[in-house]
Amino acid sequence: DAGITQSPRYKITETGRQVTLMCHQTWSHSYMFWYRQDLGHGLRLIYYSAAADITDKGEVPDGYVVSRSKTENFPLTLESATRSQTSVYFCASEGSGANVLTFGAGSRLTVL
Amino acid sequence: GNSVTQMEGPVTLSEEAFLTINCTYTATGYPSLFWYVQYPGEGLQLLLKATKADDKGSNKGFEATYRKETTSFHLEKGSVQVSDSAVYFCALSVGGTSYGKLTFGQGTILTVHP
Repeated sequence: DAGITQSPRYKITETGRQVTLMCHQTWSHSYMFWYRQDLGHGLRLIYYSAAADITDKGEVPDGYVVSRSKTENFPLTLESATRSQTSVYFCASEGSGANVLTFGAGSRLTVL
Repeated sequence: GNSVTQMEGPVTLSEEAFLTINCTYTATGYPSLFWYVQYPGEGLQLLLKATKADDKGSNKGFEATYRKETTSFHLEKGSVQVSDSAVYFCALSVGGTSYGKLTFGQGTILTVHP
């Protein structure tokens, strides 16, 4: 399927566990982003990537790790989940010169 | 730093009413401004954008004008429909090679009743 897909859509985990959220896009867009959405905060940028093997921190990177070995994939890992990381996570991509983000449907993560 | 402030919600309107959602911003540099919309259970979609002062973005009957003098980008629609019920986010980007590093407002929930 064409587009940007996130998995899993829903995840419940426990404090201290490692969790990886997957993001896959089919357009070969250069830029990819991870945002988290929390009530009262809107969306905040966690990490972004300009191309394969190029990543950079956003506004709230602490506790998260990303990688981008292939252009189409941009996984987000919580190495030791905390309750404060309970959130809805959105992946997005942007083609070069496109000037607009395309968002995935989101992954709702609950950390108990 | 950069910040975006939206009017407090939620906003509840009757069908065919006039809508205004206020948005003001502070930014270092010369930002581009966006309105994104999120329908229930979905990701965000770009609604409209403006990249320079006095530009008007428009789409699906929604409009917003980039006002540099008042640092504002208020969203308006003359006659809302039930299908407009969603969460609306104002956002800015200071650009560079990507418009994807966005600073968002907190979102405004709009509910339209028949």
